[in-house]
Amino acid sequence: AQKVTQAQTEISVVEKEDVTLDCVYETRDTTYYLFWYKQPPSGELVFLIRRNSFDEQNEISGRYSWNFQKSTSSFNFTITASQVVDSAVYFCALRRAGSARQLTFGSGTQLTVLP
Amino acid sequence: DTGVSQDPRHKITKRGQNVTFRCDPISEHNRLYWYRQTLGQGPEFLTYFQNEAQLEKSRLLSDRFSAERPKGSFSTLEIQRTEQGDSAMYLCASSLVSSTRNEQFFGPGTRLTVL
Repeated sequence: AQKVTQAQTEISVVEKEDVTLDCVYETRDTTYYLFWYKQPPSGELVFLIRRNSFDEQNEISGRYSWNFQKSTSSFNFTITASQVVDSAVYFCALRRAGSARQLTFGSGTQLTVLP
Repeated sequence: DTGVSQDPRHKITKRGQNVTFRCDPISEHNRLYWYRQTLGQGPEFLTYFQNEAQLEKSRLLSDRFSAERPKGSFSTLEIQRTEQGDSAMYLCASSLVSSTRNEQFFGPGTRLTVL
């Protein structure tokens, strides 16, 4: 069975602070994919990143960075110099390789960035 | 470039009524997914199609739920004899099967309220 745990239900920071959102996953598969999605108040899930299980290189995209550590089954997401527009619910998700294509989501972290 | 669209955006119905939702995927995408999201939770997989074939269904999809994708383009999700527990956001996503990019792109969702 697969499981994604986002232990932080809510995080509140002041603008320009850095913030890290934690994601821990469980899977018996050796090949899988990890994702982060953003859900702003409008409700539409916005794709942020996909990471393959065999690629442990960290990635940076502007103010966003992701730290994938297979040894601890974690895929954490850091926002540097947070902005009010970053306020949203962020979901981490896991997908098996092969025929099963659905995403297994965590319960999400509500990030509030205060001005 | 149009994204995934869903109609209606909101639906209020009385318990026992039938409802039908529509999803139009991104035009070249051959996979289409339905998820359900309740308040404070991540989306949960319901079913998915590759072209017109329904390839997988979750145990969450009771016999009151039926989904179709008759021509491999748009899809409909029908709920018969709605119950209050069906109140949720119903999300549709689409993806393109390829060897490198298979991210799921989500629509804005249909929020169902069963009174």
